[in-house]
Amino acid sequence: DAGVIQSPRHEVTEMGQEVTLRCKPISGHDYLFWYRQTMMRGLELLIYFNNNVPIDDSGMPEDRFSAKMPNASFSTLKIQPSEPRDSAVYFCASSFAWNLAGGPPTVLTFGAGSRLTVL
Amino acid sequence: GESVGLHLPTLSVQEGDNSIINCAYSNSASDYFIWYKQESGKGPQFIIDIRSNMDKRQGQRVTVLLNKTVKHLSLQIAATQPGDSAVYFCAENDAGNNRKLIWGLGTSLAVNP
Repeated sequence: DAGVIQSPRHEVTEMGQEVTLRCKPISGHDYLFWYRQTMMRGLELLIYFNNNVPIDDSGMPEDRFSAKMPNASFSTLKIQPSEPRDSAVYFCASSFAWNLAGGPPTVLTFGAGSRLTVL
Repeated sequence: GESVGLHLPTLSVQEGDNSIINCAYSNSASDYFIWYKQESGKGPQFIIDIRSNMDKRQGQRVTVLLNKTVKHLSLQIAATQPGDSAVYFCAENDAGNNRKLIWGLGTSLAVNP
């Protein structure tokens, strides 16, 4: 298995432009997570899906951020318009692990990330 | 402009020595804890987990210790190798917050040959 595949690996854009990040989860995984990583705040959960349905988007910073999962093998995270403070590494992760304690799985397989720089 | 980030705590060890990475967690309601490793340019990778009804759990070359009294978690790596150089994150599973993972800021481990 190729693992979780993210694209692009690097994106440099100007403030105000639309950014679309893409993710292909591992086949068979029914959970998909979008995380953002910065030095100041560490790893932040933005949103997660279960069986293509958004379950919790409380981590999405504001309306400029949106995420979709049209099918089990593809998800996008869109920022429109982008701002310099959105500069970060964005990770997609997927999982099928059952959490016996309840709630979303905690053993996640992460992609390599998309490094976004907004000038 | 460019933001100034936090400087991660760094642990520097000699190859072959044992490493101990510590983590203090915040929520006494958390009942499940996980360690992840993140190598440069890669996403985090699951290492080992432990439930709150356990004090210790061992994996291959790694041991996690949990002290619920002082809300402290540690990851021990035996015979540290250059490939262990990475940032290590502890995460807690918060029973009172829809079981979302709460991630620490990480500790950087540098292994000297």
